[in-house]
Amino acid sequence: RKEVEQDPGPFNVPEGATVAFNCTYSNSASQSFFWYRQDCRKEPKLLMSVYSSGNEDGRFTAQLNRASQYISLLIRDSKLSDSATYLCAAGNAGKSTFGDGTTLTVKP
Amino acid sequence: NAGVTQTPKFRVLKTGQSMTLLCAQDMNHEYMYWYRQDPGMGLRLIHYSVGEGTTAKGEVPDGYNVSRLKKQNFLLGLESAAPSQTSVYFCASSYSIAYEQYFGPGTRLTVT
Repeated sequence: RKEVEQDPGPFNVPEGATVAFNCTYSNSASQSFFWYRQDCRKEPKLLMSVYSSGNEDGRFTAQLNRASQYISLLIRDSKLSDSATYLCAAGNAGKSTFGDGTTLTVKP
Repeated sequence: NAGVTQTPKFRVLKTGQSMTLLCAQDMNHEYMYWYRQDPGMGLRLIHYSVGEGTTAKGEVPDGYNVSRLKKQNFLLGLESAAPSQTSVYFCASSYSIAYEQYFGPGTRLTVT
């Protein structure tokens, strides 16, 4: 079993849709959690850090459930520009483990 | 600030050749990482460093060596390249594990 698992998708949604990604982690000692966005043939870039209390940034909401060991990302009112691969990461002991990513395509 | 830079951007090697990938960061970060990413897959950690002069193995360290002689630089060496090492290599740095990682633009390596 991978240490961090994501639904691989792909997710194909129309503009304006709400889409949710889930990610589970197996290391209960994980201390920090992040969502990254990766465009095709580009480097990953931070989308959001994920806090225990949950956090929101515009159309994006991230949640952490430590008891069930999963994190989620909700994107509301999807835009064409949201099309990308979304990677979750869980960090512990000096390093982060990344999921394989979920690909989102937003269509007109 | 340049952030994280990687040299070279592209390279083609023949099986058995060696090379060194250079990563440099100007953010005074303590932590640095080397990942490889294969098509359709996530990032797999090769080696990492939690400070100048320290290195540690990640998930897929075989066939690679690293050095962190200066805080701002993290070098990844391929001792004897194999076709299985064809991949995109990303370097990253962070202030600490509690903070996000900043990635370089990647090195696309092909081993024939």
